[in-house]
Amino acid sequence: DAGVIQSPRHEVTEMGQEVTLRCKPISGHNSLFWYRQTMMRGLELLIYFNNNVPIDDSGMPEDRFSAKMPNASFSTLKIQPSEPRDSAVYFCASSLGTHISGANVLTFGAGSRLTVL
Amino acid sequence: GNSVTQMEGPVTLSEEAFLTINCTYTATGYPSLFWYVQYPGEGLQLLLKATKADDKGSNKGFEATYRKETTSFHLEKGSVQVSDSAVYFCALYNQGGKLIFGQGTELSVKP
Repeated sequence: DAGVIQSPRHEVTEMGQEVTLRCKPISGHNSLFWYRQTMMRGLELLIYFNNNVPIDDSGMPEDRFSAKMPNASFSTLKIQPSEPRDSAVYFCASSLGTHISGANVLTFGAGSRLTVL
Repeated sequence: GNSVTQMEGPVTLSEEAFLTINCTYTATGYPSLFWYVQYPGEGLQLLLKATKADDKGSNKGFEATYRKETTSFHLEKGSVQVSDSAVYFCALYNQGGKLIFGQGTELSVKP
């Protein structure tokens, strides 16, 4: 398996523009997570899906952020409009099992580094 | 609530030195504990885990023992290599909750 695949790896955009980050989880994994990593706040869980359904989006910072998972092999994280404070590395991760199944192991993608000017 | 506290970095060591990265946690019940490693420019990778008290996780020469009495899961390695330079994250999973990461500790190993 190629692992969790994220695109783009790097994105530079201007404030106000729409940004879409993409993730392909590991085949067979039924949970998918979006994390944001910054120097100030470390790793923050934004949202997670189980069987394509959003389970917990309490980490999504505000209405400018939205995430979808139309099928088991694809998810997007969208920021509209983007702001400089959204600059961060965004990681997608997947696992087999739900949060309540216990000790599930997350496999991370390589991340998408977003810079908003 | 659940939380993880790691020692602040960066930690700078010479090759073959002994490594300890401290991690303590706060949680209700009996969480599972993890160490993830992030090499430069890459995503996090699971390094080792322990799911119950007194379990020892080990991988690639790294070890950590789940100590419930001290609520700790310190990462150790007897002899570090330059290739171990990375950021190390301690994490906690509590059933029904979320995977909570510490702030990460950067390790730099000099030849």
